[in-house]
Amino acid sequence: SQQGEEDPQALSIQEGENATMNCSYKTSINNLQWYRQNSGRGLVHLILIRSNEREKHSGRLRVTLDTSKKSSSLLITASRAADTASYFCATDPSLTTDSWGKLQFGAGTQVVVTP
Amino acid sequence: EAQVTQNPRYLITVTGKKLTVTCSQNMNHEYMSWYRQDPGLGLRQIYYSMNVEVTDKGDVPEGYKVSRKEKRNFPLILESPSPNQTSLYFCASSWVQGSTGELFFGEGSRLTVL
Repeated sequence: SQQGEEDPQALSIQEGENATMNCSYKTSINNLQWYRQNSGRGLVHLILIRSNEREKHSGRLRVTLDTSKKSSSLLITASRAADTASYFCATDPSLTTDSWGKLQFGAGTQVVVTP
Repeated sequence: EAQVTQNPRYLITVTGKKLTVTCSQNMNHEYMSWYRQDPGLGLRQIYYSMNVEVTDKGDVPEGYKVSRKEKRNFPLILESPSPNQTSLYFCASSWVQGSTGELFFGEGSRLTVL
């Protein structure tokens, strides 16, 4: 079952604009991760935020986590054509030993950045 | 170079012909996992392994088998492939310290079952 659901499904912006996408999930989590996938390639890890963290930055990326609303957002600032990709959130429900290892992904947000 | 290697990258086969997709990682990770990716469904977990000789079912294990005899290898076996197993498959590995950390993914294996 999919734990995370990204919104929007697709996003089209111009270079220099910011891109924001959201992830909602259903059960309590240990951490939440964001990944990028260029067309047909393997996923690449972007950032991990733990359940006791509210915000995290990495370069032009900013991730927030609101555990009370069971949601997270990924902001890409000053986007570039090279940011064109699909972005996935993944939730780790490892709060009990019987849920370890079941990292679950959403369906992704497809981002297109035009020059 | 740290990497997860999958083979084959592309495969066309016929219904019922057993096949194995290999996965190897050189990072000494305890955790390895297989996912399939289908349009509109994101990645769904097939099987995962927390360490050697320890494997568990993910969300969509039917029709698949795995084994973990060595830490670095985690092959995915389709004993009798069917057309609904046509998909893009990814192997991933990670360290585990009480929770699943950053996943390192292979480049994917695109499988078509006729």
